[in-house]
Amino acid sequence: NAGVTQTPKFRVLKTGQSMTLLCAQDMNHEYMYWYRQDPGMGLRLIHYSVGEGTTAKGEVPDGYNVSRLKKQNFLLGLESAAPSQTSVYFCASRPTETGAKSYGYTFGSGTRLTVV
Amino acid sequence: AQSVTQLDSQVPVFEEAPVELRCNYSSSVSVYLFWYVQYPNQGLQLLLKYLSGSTLVKGINGFEAEFNKSQTSFHLRKPSVHISDTAEYFCAVDPRGSNYKLTFGKGTLLTVNP
Repeated sequence: NAGVTQTPKFRVLKTGQSMTLLCAQDMNHEYMYWYRQDPGMGLRLIHYSVGEGTTAKGEVPDGYNVSRLKKQNFLLGLESAAPSQTSVYFCASRPTETGAKSYGYTFGSGTRLTVV
Repeated sequence: AQSVTQLDSQVPVFEEAPVELRCNYSSSVSVYLFWYVQYPNQGLQLLLKYLSGSTLVKGINGFEAEFNKSQTSFHLRKPSVHISDTAEYFCAVDPRGSNYKLTFGKGTLLTVNP
């Protein structure tokens, strides 16, 4: 069971370039999330999805777009990258909460993005 | 909206000493609580979680945490740390509601010195 897989793991972009980060989960989870991690800031929520075809803004959505055309995939796009988007990006998924002891979030291993 | 405050950004301790990493949260609804650990250049690993039941939760690597609803706290403790415990620790709150979203604290860097 792969869990949550993020691609790519590393990327260097030039200012103004675009790219898409892919998050794939094989656990049939309804909910998926994109976070960014910056030193001293913890993880901050960029966008999230509560099901296939739905997306919503998180705490720091500006400069990013997302899509969830298939339940298992959640894509994060940067249309015109800026140095301020240099960060480590984590994807996460979770099941619908049912009171089960197994409830929790599964995180990917992260994508380290540098914008120069 | 919910929030998490990790009261110490850095905690230096000596090997075999006890440690407590403090976490307070605010939320208008009941919550689930999590502690994650991140070793250098790695991803997040779940240490422990509180969902319901006993307020004392035991996790991996000898860590435990106590949920205190009246003080809205979820402090992490370990009676004797090892150098290998050096890492960043994140507290996170998951407010129960129609659309749960995990909110993280800013992290506490635990450095264990010989």
